[in-house]
Amino acid sequence: AQSVTQLGSHVSVSEGALVLLRCNYSSSVPPYLFWYVQYPNQGLQLLLKYTTGATLVKGINGFEAEFKKSETSFHLTKPSAHMSDAAEYFCAVSEGHDYKLSFGAGTTVTVRA
Amino acid sequence: DVKVTQSSRYLVKRTGEKVFLECVQDMDHENMFWYRQDPGLGLRLIYFSYDVKMKEKGDIPEGYSVSREKKERFSLILESASTNQTSMYLCASRDRGVSGNTIYFGEGSWLTVV
Repeated sequence: AQSVTQLGSHVSVSEGALVLLRCNYSSSVPPYLFWYVQYPNQGLQLLLKYTTGATLVKGINGFEAEFKKSETSFHLTKPSAHMSDAAEYFCAVSEGHDYKLSFGAGTTVTVRA
Repeated sequence: DVKVTQSSRYLVKRTGEKVFLECVQDMDHENMFWYRQDPGLGLRLIYFSYDVKMKEKGDIPEGYSVSREKKERFSLILESASTNQTSMYLCASRDRGVSGNTIYFGEGSWLTVV
């Protein structure tokens, strides 16, 4: 069975500071991993995904994540936070096509001026 | 661009009513999903359909049913709405092909049961 744990339900960063959101997963097969972002009153938008190949994945809006199999982690980072990064972020795992996508509980990011 | 459309953004229903939430996608995707989103719990899968007329229970199917008669449409049905079903409901779709297993979401339907 697959599952996702996001460490920290709220993260507050200063504008220009590093953003680090932590995600650990469990999966019985090599996983597909995703980060989604949700702005208020909107659906979820894909930030980036890992399926196979290079373990460092770059996404939209300057975000990137690294798949570390030995640590079962897929942490999301952005070197310099912007006010527009304030949103809720979800990590998700899937075991492939025709399999469900399981989400973590989410991390809300606030950015201080 | 992929478009997943949820017909109602905001609904208010009475306890015991039968509620239909409709979702349509325009990209011929095989897989469709219904999730509910609650603060602190993330997204929880209610039902999953991997093709027309095919469905699988997700993590929290109790009190819900689904219908997938056409490939583009996936309906969520609350047979007898209860107050604990007040939530945000999100529909999503996914293709099996070259998009790499990406799931696309609708804007969500806010349901309040009174």
